[in-house]
Amino acid sequence: AQSVAQPEDQVNVAEGNPLTVKCTYSVSGNPYLFWYVQYPNRGLQFLLKYITGDNLVKGSYGFEAEFNKSQTSFHLKKPSALVSDSALYFCAVRDIGYGQNFVFGPGTRLSVLP
Amino acid sequence: DGGITQSPKYLFRKEGQNVTLSCEQNLNHDAMYWYRQDPGQGLRLIYYSQIVNDFQKGDIAEGYSVSREKKESFPLTVTSAQKNPTAFYLCASTQPFLGGNEQFFGPGTRLTVL
Repeated sequence: AQSVAQPEDQVNVAEGNPLTVKCTYSVSGNPYLFWYVQYPNRGLQFLLKYITGDNLVKGSYGFEAEFNKSQTSFHLKKPSALVSDSALYFCAVRDIGYGQNFVFGPGTRLSVLP
Repeated sequence: DGGITQSPKYLFRKEGQNVTLSCEQNLNHDAMYWYRQDPGQGLRLIYYSQIVNDFQKGDIAEGYSVSREKKESFPLTVTSAQKNPTAFYLCASTQPFLGGNEQFFGPGTRLTVL
């Protein structure tokens, strides 16, 4: 069975500092991995995904994520945080098998302090 | 929010009443999903449909029903059998046959039981 863990409920970072939001996953085969962001009372917005190839994936708004197969991790990163990055972040995994559904982590709330 | 509309944005339900949440997409996606989000929790899958006239139960289908008569529409009915329906409901769609495709989300409907 697929599963996703986001070990931190809350991450606080000062504006201008680098940020990392952690995600680990478990799948039976090869994973497709995704990051989404959610602002209050809004739907989820897609940030980036890992399908295959380069382990460092670049996405929207300056975010990037590093896929590490040996550690089964897919951490979200940004070199310099903005106050406007404050939101709820979700990691999701989808098994490569046909018809597999997305499984979402519990979310990590990021607060960027001015 | 990427070609998916949900209505209404806010919905109030009285005890014992059925209510229907609308979800429409113009992305020509075959697969559509309904998720429930509670405060401090991730997304839980209610129902999903991979193709028109077919749908399957997700992890928390009890007290909910759906239909998929048209490709672009996937309404969710919250029945009186759902004892704790107050939550934020999110609809999503994707093209399922390519597993690396991300989901697109609607803006959500917030349902409150009076």
